[in-house]
Amino acid sequence: DGGITQSPKYLFRKEGQNVTLSCEQNLNHDAMYWYRQDPGQGLRLIYYSQIVNDFQKGDIAEGYSVSREKKESFPLTVTSAQKNPTAFYLCASQDRGHSYNEQFFGPGTRLTVL
Amino acid sequence: QKEVEQNSGPLSVPEGAIASLNCTYSDRGSQSFFWYRQYSGKSPELIMFIYSNGDKEDGRFTAQLNKASQYVSLLIRDSQPSDSATYLCAVMEYGNKLVFGAGTILRVKS
Repeated sequence: DGGITQSPKYLFRKEGQNVTLSCEQNLNHDAMYWYRQDPGQGLRLIYYSQIVNDFQKGDIAEGYSVSREKKESFPLTVTSAQKNPTAFYLCASQDRGHSYNEQFFGPGTRLTVL
Repeated sequence: QKEVEQNSGPLSVPEGAIASLNCTYSDRGSQSFFWYRQYSGKSPELIMFIYSNGDKEDGRFTAQLNKASQYVSLLIRDSQPSDSATYLCAVMEYGNKLVFGAGTILRVKS
């Protein structure tokens, strides 16, 4: 089955730690995205990548880093510089050639800072 | 910062009624508009997309777009308890970036 997987589903971080969230897709999509969702709020864009080896900052990139070494993978690192990282993190991918550019979402990772 | 505004709700409707969800956006140049449904603790799933003025129907769902008024809406006919969720309006920006509203909570009461 084609789709997007994220791991882990739940992640606990101690203050001062860096943690990496995994996102993998087998949809052969060029574009991938990372969003953060806080309770009662919409999704906010952290980073996005339109093609391998290239990525751009979104609206709330501070305290986060990404890499795009493979088309299938777009891991997100939450660094200790992110002061309030507790949130629901969603990865999405998109076929840039699709007529209506739907973004497909993974199941999400819920990160909690202890 | 381009904005997408939604009434947070909750919007409560009885089972079988029509639910009307509304969204306004600030970027007059926006071309594509999306409605996602999100159940509690789950990821969003696409319900409808629209990019032409007027109505677009898919089963019990109708999306309506008025670019002159910068307004997009979602109608859900014959609402069911399983429709209870948060509905997110999203607008595609230049560069294939989606800007999301905060979402409207819909509760369908049986």
